[in-house]
Amino acid sequence: ELKVEQNPLFLSMQEGKNYTIYCNYSTTSDRLYWYRQDPGKSLESLFVLLSNGAVKQEGRLMASLDTKARLSTLHITAAVHDLSATYFCAVVNTDKLIFGTGTRLQVFP
Amino acid sequence: EPEVTQTPSHQVTQMGQEVILRCVPISNHLYFYWYRQILGQKVEFLVSFYNNEISEKSEIFDDQFSVERPDGSNFTLKIRSTKLEDSAMYFCASRARGVTVGYTFGSGTRLTVV
Repeated sequence: ELKVEQNPLFLSMQEGKNYTIYCNYSTTSDRLYWYRQDPGKSLESLFVLLSNGAVKQEGRLMASLDTKARLSTLHITAAVHDLSATYFCAVVNTDKLIFGTGTRLQVFP
Repeated sequence: EPEVTQTPSHQVTQMGQEVILRCVPISNHLYFYWYRQILGQKVEFLVSFYNNEISEKSEIFDDQFSVERPDGSNFTLKIRSTKLEDSAMYFCASRARGVTVGYTFGSGTRLTVV
């Protein structure tokens, strides 16, 4: 059974700082997604990573994928308050998405 | 930008009652999914649907759950006899054909069983 784990589960960081969220998964997959969720809201797609070594960047967020290590990272550069949300990685398994545990990010002044 | 639409946004029902959650996927999408998220927890897969039949279902999707695409546009999730533990946010998702496309999620239905 595919397991997807994220760490940390909770991240409180100061504005302007950098940090990385890690997503590990237990079996081979060729696609990994990152989503953002605001409280009580839906899942907003951030990145689709399709191959080993893939790197995508949007604003202050950068995601990468290492399929050999079964690891994806979401790096936050110079955090701002608007990035406060819960971030999920999700791995494709027989067409369905298996979600990680989520990382709740809180950015404070 | 095309959206996945879900109704209602919030439903309160008594334990034991039947509920139907409705979704209108993006029009050219072919693959449909239901997920649920218990408050504060991760998103869990329930069922996938393609070509008018279930492709895969999880252990959560037991005999009290069913899905249907009754008219070519709507995609529904029925819970026959609701339990307190069915209280959750239910998300519908859809995607087009192809391995590089994304999964688009609807805004969700918050189901509260009392």
